[in-house]
Amino acid sequence: EDQVTQSPEALRLQEGESSSLNCSYTVSGLRGLFWYRQDPGKGPEFLFTLYSAGEEKEKERLKATLTKKESFLHITAPKPEDSATYLCAVAAGANNLFFGTGTRLTVIP
Amino acid sequence: GAGVSQTPSNKVTEKGKYVELRCDPISGHTALYWYRQSLGQGPEFLIYFQGTGAADDSGLPNDRFFAVRPEGSVSTLKIQRTERGDSAVYLCASSLLPGYNEQFFGPGTRLTVL
Repeated sequence: EDQVTQSPEALRLQEGESSSLNCSYTVSGLRGLFWYRQDPGKGPEFLFTLYSAGEEKEKERLKATLTKKESFLHITAPKPEDSATYLCAVAAGANNLFFGTGTRLTVIP
Repeated sequence: GAGVSQTPSNKVTEKGKYVELRCDPISGHTALYWYRQSLGQGPEFLIYFQGTGAADDSGLPNDRFFAVRPEGSVSTLKIQRTERGDSAVYLCASSLLPGYNEQFFGPGTRLTVL
């Protein structure tokens, strides 16, 4: 059975304090791992797709990495506007995404 | 260009009523998905359309839920005899191609069943 576990559930950081969010997955045949950002009352906003172990992608203060069992979303020198829930999802089957429950990030000025 | 749009943004209904939720995907996107998100949870897959046909409806919880996409663009999610447990945010997403491509989400419709 496909499983995606995100940790921690919630994270509070001071502005400028770098950290990482974890996404552990169990899926039969990974076809893609996706990171999304979700602000309160809005739909998820696409950030990254990773397809194979060792792959890395960066966007501004965010960097996503992938191994055979987990993915990390590294946040470097975060700012208050980075506060959001970060969702990890795996491509399950051929058609849909299977999501974790997210990490709620709060960056304090 | 315009993103995925959903209407209404909020819907309050009474138990037992029928509701329709609409999704307008990004122009040119052939694949369309419906998800449901409960508070504190990630989105949960409901149904996937490729063109006009429902290619995968394995996530629909029961036969009270039905969705259509008659012209391969706009989609409507229909819920009959609503129950309090149906209360959630219903999200629509579209992608240029099916399969393992990034899906772009709309803002969702918050459904509250009293």
